[in-house]
Amino acid sequence: AQTVTQSQPEMSVQEAETVTLSCTYDTSESDYYLFWYKQPPSRQMILVIRQEAYKQQNATENRFSVNFQKAAKSFSLKISDSQLGDAAMYFCAKTGANNLFFGTGTRLTVIP
Amino acid sequence: NAGVMQNPRHLVRRRGQEARLRCSPMKGHSHVYWYRQLPEEGLKFMVYLQKENIIDESGMPKERFSAEFPKEGPSILRIQQVVRGDSAAYFCASSPLAEVDYGYTFGSGTRLTVV
Repeated sequence: AQTVTQSQPEMSVQEAETVTLSCTYDTSESDYYLFWYKQPPSRQMILVIRQEAYKQQNATENRFSVNFQKAAKSFSLKISDSQLGDAAMYFCAKTGANNLFFGTGTRLTVIP
Repeated sequence: NAGVMQNPRHLVRRRGQEARLRCSPMKGHSHVYWYRQLPEEGLKFMVYLQKENIIDESGMPKERFSAEFPKEGPSILRIQQVVRGDSAAYFCASSPLAEVDYGYTFGSGTRLTVV
């Protein structure tokens, strides 16, 4: 069975500080893709960052970067210089055959 | 490019009624996926369709739920005889290719409330 686990239901960070959101997953595949999605109160699912499992280099998108540890099946998201607009639910996801498997999410609060 | 359009944004139905949720994929996208998000949970896959074909419905409840993506017009997720447990946000996503490797473009979802 494929599962994606986010063990932090809620996290908070001071504005301008750095926060790391955790994600682990279970798979027997060697080739797959991992994603972080942001869901603000508007409910829109926004793709934040994508990682290819066969690439050792960690993906980076501006203030967002990942720490991908394939052997440990870990895929954490680091948000640097946190901004008020980063406040949202964050979901980790992994590709399946025809779909994505999502974690249960981490609610991030940004404190001014 | 208008993105993935879902309507209605909010839908209220009484128990036993039918709910019809519509999804228009992005222009040029012929692959549509439906997901359900229960309160305080992540999205769960329901069904994957291409034009006029259901490719994978492994996440769809066997009864009362159906989906279609006709040659012309939007994809429709239909829930017959709704029950309170059907209350959730239903998201549609589309992609230009069969592979999900690049992620999807999601719509803003339809929140279904069954009273």
